[in-house]
Order: sequence, then C-alpha cells, then structure tokens
Amino acid sequence: DGGITQSPKYLFRKEGQNVTLSCEQNLNHDAMYWYRQDPGQGLRLIYYSQIVNDFQKGDIAEGYSVSREKKESFPLTVTSAQKNPTAFYLCASSIQSYSNQPQHFGDGTRLSIL
Amino acid sequence: GESVGLHLPTLSVQEGDNSIINCAYSNSASDYFIWYKQESGKGPQFIIDIRSNMDKRQGQRVTVLLNKTVKHLSLQIAATQPGDSAVYFCAENIGGGGNKLTFGTGTQLKVEL
Repeated sequence: DGGITQSPKYLFRKEGQNVTLSCEQNLNHDAMYWYRQDPGQGLRLIYYSQIVNDFQKGDIAEGYSVSREKKESFPLTVTSAQKNPTAFYLCASSIQSYSNQPQHFGDGTRLSIL
Repeated sequence: GESVGLHLPTLSVQEGDNSIINCAYSNSASDYFIWYKQESGKGPQFIIDIRSNMDKRQGQRVTVLLNKTVKHLSLQIAATQPGDSAVYFCAENIGGGGNKLTFGTGTQLKVEL
C-alpha cells in the first residue's frame, strides 16, 4: 500500500544525545514536511523540503536538522540543542509544494526524555 | 501574527445527530483550507479541502462551508457515528508558495451513544 512510514513509533533520548527520526514515503510526492505536536495543541512546522537536496526552516527549526538525499526519505535529527524535545513528531508529504495540495501524514513518532 | 483558531474545544453530540465544528481564521490572504481528523496516537487524516474561490464543498457525509466575509470555516458531519470521535483540525495556507499550512488547536468531538 502507498503511504508514509515513520519509525520508530516510540523513542527515548538521553541528555546530550542526538536522535534521528525516520520518514519514508512511497507516494512519489515531491514535498515533505516535519511537524511537532504538543499535548492539546495544533501542529507546528519544523522543516520542509520542496525537492531533493533542498529544504527550508519552518517556524520552530532551532535544535533540529534534516536532510533530503532521496525523494522518498526525509529524516529529522533532534539535537542536544533542543532543550524541550518531548513531543509527538509527525511527517507529511504532498504531491507538489508550490500549489495548494493536501498534505498526507504518517502515524508519528513519540519522543520522550529519559 | 495571524493564526487559525477554533471556537469550541470540545463538542459532544448524540449518535445519529449532525455535528458542526467551527474554525475562525484571521489571515485574509489565505486561499486554501483543509480539515483533518486525528485519532488518539495517530497522524492527522485528510477529510476535505476547499479553495477560496468556493463557498461550499461536499464529500461523503461531510460538508465544508467557507464564509470569507467573516473569515469563518465550518465542517458539518451528517449522521454522526461513534467512529467520528476524534480531534478535528482546520488548517490554512496563506499562499505565496511552499504549500505551508498553519493549524488550529483542534476540537475534540465526542459521540454519545
């Protein structure tokens, strides 16, 4: 089935540690996005990528990094500089980035601090 | 900055009744709107979208209404079922390229048997 796969479903981070969240899509979508969701709140954009080898900061990029080496993959690294990383992280993709298109989401990774 | 918001944080309805979930937006430049449904522990699921050149759009058991005069968006769910229980988000795209969405805080819909 076509879709967006996020892994792992649960992830724990120690103090000072970088962790990487995986996002893979087989929808042949050009654009991919990372959001953070805190309890009782909406989604906030961390980074997005409109095309391979290109990405832009969203509203809350500090403490995060991404790469887009392949069309299908858009991993997110939560660095030790992110002081409050506990949240639900959601990856999304859309057919194109320059026109109004719905974004389709994976089922998220829940990150917690040990 | 401008933002998307919801009038009601929690909505309880009886099974079989119609549900109406409201959303206010403040950015007059927004030209595309989406409603998502999110069940506990899962990612948002696309329900329906509407462009600013339309006032109404219908899907299966759902209707989205857009009132640009008062910057208001609503999602109507007909014959609400227990499976409709979830958090519903509206999102807007203010245009200018990038297909970036701004999300509201969500409304919890509870369907009572």
